[in-house]
Amino acid sequence: AQSVTQLDSQVPVFEEAPVELRCNYSSSVSVYLFWYVQYPNQGLQLLLKYLSGSTLVKGINGFEAEFNKSQTSFHLRKPSVHISDTAEYFCAKAAGNKLTFGGGTRVLVKP
Amino acid sequence: NAGVTQTPKFRILKIGQSMTLQCTQDMNHNYMYWYRQDPGMGLKLIYYSVGAGITDKGEVPNGYNVSRSTTEDFPLRLELAAPSQTSVYFCASRTGLATTGELFFGEGSRLTVL
Repeated sequence: AQSVTQLDSQVPVFEEAPVELRCNYSSSVSVYLFWYVQYPNQGLQLLLKYLSGSTLVKGINGFEAEFNKSQTSFHLRKPSVHISDTAEYFCAKAAGNKLTFGGGTRVLVKP
Repeated sequence: NAGVTQTPKFRILKIGQSMTLQCTQDMNHNYMYWYRQDPGMGLKLIYYSVGAGITDKGEVPNGYNVSRSTTEDFPLRLELAAPSQTSVYFCASRTGLATTGELFFGEGSRLTVL
């Protein structure tokens, strides 16, 4: 069964507009969630993570995500995007020793 | 800071050939992983290791083998390459302190099998 689902494969957005990337996960006892970003021709880098505590998590580069247990969601948001935010974004869930990734959302920021 | 280093960055193989993708990390991480990335499919775990001498299968291990003789190195071997193994391969590592540790990725190895 798919553990992490990213609902949008591509999201075009204009510069300085807000963006939301949707992620849903399969429920489990312990939930540890992550967002990673992949810039063109590079490996993945951690944007933010939810382990416990506050459901609103702030990450690097102005990104934040909200953990919603009842909706099993962990959506990523940024209020105003830059051209440099053009990248692919991956939601991931930790389970035991492994990290399971969603299919990715490609964000294209247009001037 | 080197972090996770993968070689080669690019390789073209003929069907049936074999090769090894090298991965080295200098952060003294216990946990190491090999993923493959295909368009629209995200990253799929091939193999992982929780320490020297210990390896385990991930979601898509068929056609691959790994070994972990040292903490630093985690090579991935492809035997009898097939077109279905055309992909971008990423090695990653993290500390073994908790499930919640950040993964550090290499820059990837792009493999084409013709």
